[in-house]
Amino acid sequence: QVQLVESGGGVVQPGRSLRLSCAASGFTFSSYGMHWVRQAPGKGLEWVAVISNDGRDKKLADSVKGRFTISRDNSKNTLYLQMNSLRPEDTAVFYCVKDLTTGAVKYYFDSWGQGTLVTVSS
Amino acid sequence: EIVLTQSPATLSLSPGERATLSCRASQSVRSYLAWYQQKPGQAPRLLIYDASNRATGIPARFSGSGSGTDFTLTISSLEPEDFALYYCQQRSSWPLLTFGPGTKVDIK
Repeated sequence: QVQLVESGGGVVQPGRSLRLSCAASGFTFSSYGMHWVRQAPGKGLEWVAVISNDGRDKKLADSVKGRFTISRDNSKNTLYLQMNSLRPEDTAVFYCVKDLTTGAVKYYFDSWGQGTLVTVSS
Repeated sequence: EIVLTQSPATLSLSPGERATLSCRASQSVRSYLAWYQQKPGQAPRLLIYDASNRATGIPARFSGSGSGTDFTLTISSLEPEDFALYYCQQRSSWPLLTFGPGTKVDIK
């Protein structure tokens, strides 16, 4: 079955950087677009970024544009989120999420990892 | 940005009862709407996509309807495991995706 395992979260000071990873298994990783979705403590869901199955097309939410970068390594079945210039408002659980369909991204979130907590605090 | 409003904020019902959750969009999202269920300490789970299509493995007691700006998630007969938080999400204005604030279904 689909497994998505995030890692790399932790406590970081404002202005610093962090890189999240997501190890995928149980499906053909290179066939699916992948997303990062975050959830601040006690709050709702916020889509963060998407990358196409071949890694050529990437889009970011306005709230993270210019600070975050999404990438993937299909040879390693791994998704990444490089987060720079972190702010306290970035504090959240970050979920690695598989898109619903193969090919073109459908922007529905089919399978989710367990999430990794990022805390931005001095 | 398309704003999604969910009502009610909390729905208090008993097992076996019918649950009707509403999601309203600030402008038409056609049929590009999904519903998710989230339990405490867990990741969300996709229930419905494109307004009325059940995701793989979702029980038939969950159904979705609507188009344009008004959508409904119906749980025909609540099971104990259905008491949770439910979010709607639109993809009409991708990549400017938005989620609703959620409806909590709790035990009366």
